[in-house]
Amino acid sequence: GENVEQHPSTLSVQEGDSAVIKCTYSDSASNYFPWYKQELGKRPQLIIDIRSNVGEKKDQRIAVTLNKTAKHFSLHITETQPEDSAVYFCAAGTSGGSYIPTFGRGTSLIVHP
Amino acid sequence: DTGVSQNPRHKITKRGQNVTFRCDPISEHNRLYWYRQTLGQGPEFLTYFQNEAQLEKSRLLSDRFSAERPKGSFSTLEIQRTEQGDSAMYLCASTGGTETQYFGPGTRLLVL
Repeated sequence: GENVEQHPSTLSVQEGDSAVIKCTYSDSASNYFPWYKQELGKRPQLIIDIRSNVGEKKDQRIAVTLNKTAKHFSLHITETQPEDSAVYFCAAGTSGGSYIPTFGRGTSLIVHP
Repeated sequence: DTGVSQNPRHKITKRGQNVTFRCDPISEHNRLYWYRQTLGQGPEFLTYFQNEAQLEKSRLLSDRFSAERPKGSFSTLEIQRTEQGDSAMYLCASTGGTETQYFGPGTRLLVL
């Protein structure tokens, strides 16, 4: 089965700095990689995703990069704001048919004002 | 609110008791997933349904756990003879035609 490792477990930055969270996966069949944000006491929500036929995707201050050869993908947040403080989860899975994502353990991002 | 809803939001029970949770997915979403999340971990897959058919169950899922989605709409997750190790947040998510998972607020279970 798929195994997803996520680092770091905690990331503390100053407002305005960039933050990078990295995930590695084990199953070369995985082709869909979403990122979820979970604020304290709230439900996880999708913030960005990438498919294996694309190397990078951007949406305003967030971007995701994928290296299929090395089997890793990263979330980049630029110009961080206090409201970016949350736990971020990466996931990997194979789309189509039985899609069952495997989640990383999460990264707690703290943005200090 | 047209999002995924779960009830109850919190449940405290004594070891050995049975508990049942309910999930109402987004209307017309055909896939419904159940996850368990413990502190410091990501959601861990338990089982999923396509319409009323239960298509996959985690090999880690004890036979004390059972889930149903009788009419292809809401789903229930039952845990029989609860153990302290069952204490966790139980999340439900639904999808409709894409991989994007819409999560419910979760049911937090505490087994004493």
